[in-house]
Amino acid sequence: DIQMTQSPSSLSASVRDRVTITCRASQSIRSNLNWYQQKPGKAPKLLIYAASNLQSGVPSRFSGSGSGTDFTLTISSLQPEDFATYYCQQSYGTPPAFGGGTKVEIK
Amino acid sequence: EVQLAESGGGLVQPGRSLRLSCAASGFTFDDYAIHWVRQAPGKGLEWVSGISWNSNVIVYADSVKGRFTISRDNAKNSLYLQMNSLRAEDTALYHCAKDIGALLGAGGLDYWGQGTLVTVSS
Repeated sequence: DIQMTQSPSSLSASVRDRVTITCRASQSIRSNLNWYQQKPGKAPKLLIYAASNLQSGVPSRFSGSGSGTDFTLTISSLQPEDFATYYCQQSYGTPPAFGGGTKVEIK
Repeated sequence: EVQLAESGGGLVQPGRSLRLSCAASGFTFDDYAIHWVRQAPGKGLEWVSGISWNSNVIVYADSVKGRFTISRDNAKNSLYLQMNSLRAEDTALYHCAKDIGALLGAGGLDYWGQGTLVTVSS
């Protein structure tokens, strides 16, 4: 099975900061990598699919990059509504595993 | 508007069974693969099972293989998860989620239900 490792597991940042979250796959998954945002008590929301494609309705401050085994989610200017937990997920092989999550907290 | 609504959760004793349902609306149900994803209290997301648009491809996580069965009824726009031999570690909020594509592995999960809580305890 393909393992997904996210880092860091948590971070503290201020509004307007640039934030970067990393996801690493245990083997190449090409560009089959998706990013989700989850707020407390809510269902996850798809932000980025296929590594770099912005899901409809998602603000352009979110971007994704990478291919193969190393991927990055970047929030260019953190907004108050962005404080949440972020998950990566590979959709290259089964099971389509999620990363452990990165909690973005207010500094 | 795409909507997914899970039901069927509850408190169940270890070793017993439970059947979850997911009612879909707002999209052409039989055009898409659908998944079950669970989240234990305070923990991360765990993919459980997925089924292709025509039920030809079904996959399970190792943690539930042999105990859980996923199925769908395209005529009723519904997804199901039959859970047998439940264990304490199956305690979680269970979400159904729509795939971007018809086949498993097509891409991300673009719509999610709010989930139904399953608690396995004596």
